[in-house]
Amino acid sequence: DAEITQSPRHKITETGRQVTLACHQTWNHNNMFWYRQDLGHGLRLIHYSYGVQDTNKGEVSDGYSVSRSNTEDLPLTLESAASSQTSVYFCASSVGGAGELFFGEGSRLTVL
Amino acid sequence: AQSVTQLDSQVPVFEEAPVELRCNYSSSVSVYLFWYVQYPNQGLQLLLKYLSGSTLVESINGFEAEFNKSQTSFHLRKPSVHISDTAEYFCAVKDTGKLIFGQGTTLQVKP
Repeated sequence: DAEITQSPRHKITETGRQVTLACHQTWNHNNMFWYRQDLGHGLRLIHYSYGVQDTNKGEVSDGYSVSRSNTEDLPLTLESAASSQTSVYFCASSVGGAGELFFGEGSRLTVL
Repeated sequence: AQSVTQLDSQVPVFEEAPVELRCNYSSSVSVYLFWYVQYPNQGLQLLLKYLSGSTLVESINGFEAEFNKSQTSFHLRKPSVHISDTAEYFCAVKDTGKLIFGQGTTLQVKP
């Protein structure tokens, strides 16, 4: 079955370190998204991509970057982790148009 | 840009009682609306969606939502909840290919 997987599921890091969260989907979807989930804020969009070599900033993109070199993967990089980036991160993909989003299981990141 | 407001952060309810989770969105010419559910320590799953046609949409587990254009609302209802419905519920609107989510509502079903 097609799926979307995130790794690592849990990570603890220190302030200032670079961190990369992986997202891999086998749906062959063009659209991929990264959200962060924080209490009281729901899900906020960090970055998104509508296809290979396409990336766009969401509402909370500062301190994050993504790259899309193939259809299946959209890794999220925190250039220099900050305590404010402690959160649960969700990757999602969709076929486009009115299509629904399919979510991964989430990656819980703690920045000490 | 689109926005979504979920009016209740927590909704406690007893088992077998009815429930309504409220959602309002910013107005637009055309709108796609979604409700997602998140069980503890899991990702989000689609519960139901409104794209066009009938304003009343239903899920396989007894939830329904009604698209009300005049009130810009998409409230989620269930006539009789179960313990297993305890979860976080998110309303979302599609905005140029991406989903904009509300803040979420925690449904707490008590025995």
